[in-house]
Amino acid sequence: DAKTTQPTSMDCAEGRAANLPCNHSTISGNEYVYWYRQIHSQGPQYIIHGLKNNETNEMASLIITEDRKSSTLILPHATLRDTAVYYCIVRPPFSAGGTSYGKLTFGQGTILTVHP
Amino acid sequence: DAGITQSPRYKITETGRQVTLMCHQTWSHSYMFWYRQDLGHGLRLIYYSAAADITDKGEVPDGYVVSRSKTENFPLTLESATRSQTSVYFCASSDLLAGGKIHSGNTIYFGEGSWLTVV
Repeated sequence: DAKTTQPTSMDCAEGRAANLPCNHSTISGNEYVYWYRQIHSQGPQYIIHGLKNNETNEMASLIITEDRKSSTLILPHATLRDTAVYYCIVRPPFSAGGTSYGKLTFGQGTILTVHP
Repeated sequence: DAGITQSPRYKITETGRQVTLMCHQTWSHSYMFWYRQDLGHGLRLIYYSAAADITDKGEVPDGYVVSRSKTENFPLTLESATRSQTSVYFCASSDLLAGGKIHSGNTIYFGEGSWLTVV
């Protein structure tokens, strides 16, 4: 499984954009990049995922570099409620008879603190 | 998302007791998963199921048993609880198909967690 590297912690001012980087230099061509966040004592919450193209949804934008070795999660207007641990994950593709499809490997993530 | 629920949310049990954590999802997702989360280890996959009556081991299956007689339920049983099984347990589900085709990029949705303490 491709490993990811994220900064341990980041700060952001409320109302500003939060840009969370992730390095996944060993990613293979058919592996997706997923972002989840976990607010204290809650289950991980899905944010966004992508394969090659940049993606945007109502929560965030995902920018994946052309070589796919890194990505950035952008929260365009961070609020205090966005304070959480953010996980960048590389997910193996489905393989008939394989066991790795569900194996989301969570690293330590980035603790994002949004300040007033 | 209210579509996946876990029970009980909090449980204290004694060493050696059998404990079952329940997981129910209303989306008819084919895949279901059990993870545990411990300080210093992140989330680790215990077992997963690709469909009813199909289960497989994850990273840390020892001491756990699962079953999947119905698509919507995926109970996790600790047959003889140990203190090392004190943890937060998360159930999750995911659909494999999108538009009738296998879609590897489908999202995995997590429940709110079950806090288990073994004393």
